[in-house]
Amino acid sequence: NAGVTQTPKFQVLKTGQSMTLQCAQDMNHEYMSWYRQDPGMGLRLIHYSVGAGITDQGEVPNGYNVSRSTTEDFPLRLLSAAPSQTSVYFCASSTGGLAKETQYFGPGTRLLVL
Amino acid sequence: GESVGLHLPTLSVQEGDNSIINCAYSNSASDYFIWYKQESGKGPQFIIDIRSNMDKRQGQRVTVLLNKTVKHLSLQIAATQPGDSAVYFCAENIRGTSGSRLTFGEGTQLTVNP
Repeated sequence: NAGVTQTPKFQVLKTGQSMTLQCAQDMNHEYMSWYRQDPGMGLRLIHYSVGAGITDQGEVPNGYNVSRSTTEDFPLRLLSAAPSQTSVYFCASSTGGLAKETQYFGPGTRLLVL
Repeated sequence: GESVGLHLPTLSVQEGDNSIINCAYSNSASDYFIWYKQESGKGPQFIIDIRSNMDKRQGQRVTVLLNKTVKHLSLQIAATQPGDSAVYFCAENIRGTSGSRLTFGEGTQLTVNP
């Protein structure tokens, strides 16, 4: 299994541009989530999904959209990038539920918004 | 060596020493805790977990201790090796009306000196 994969690894955007961060997992996990990581603030949950067709907001959802049309893929969209969205973005997946809360993280996407 | 994760985010130890990384969690309703290791440029990696009905759990060279009375979690690494150098995060699972959610601490940087 490839586990959780993310593309691209690095991205530079200008303010106002849009882009989609891709995330895919081949472990048949129901639960997928997106986090951003900023210095001194740890990982903060942006959006999550408990299964195909179901998404919900996390701690910092503003400026981001998600969709979950398949179990494998969970893309994160920035509609109009802002410098405050400069961060490292991690996608994670898990089987979900109390028995399997362990999340497997992708390698991350480093985003710089100018 | 020992640290308090939220107040002293760095810990430096000598190779072969034992390391203790501490974490204070916020919610008395948290029922599950995880320690993650994050090496530079990579995503977080699961190390060990513990449920709230336990106060100690051991893995390979790692032990997690949970003190619910003072809402404190610690990660002990025996015979610390240079490969253990990384940022270590604790995460607590908080069960709310809309389901469970992991909340991460800001992390502690562990540096192992040869």
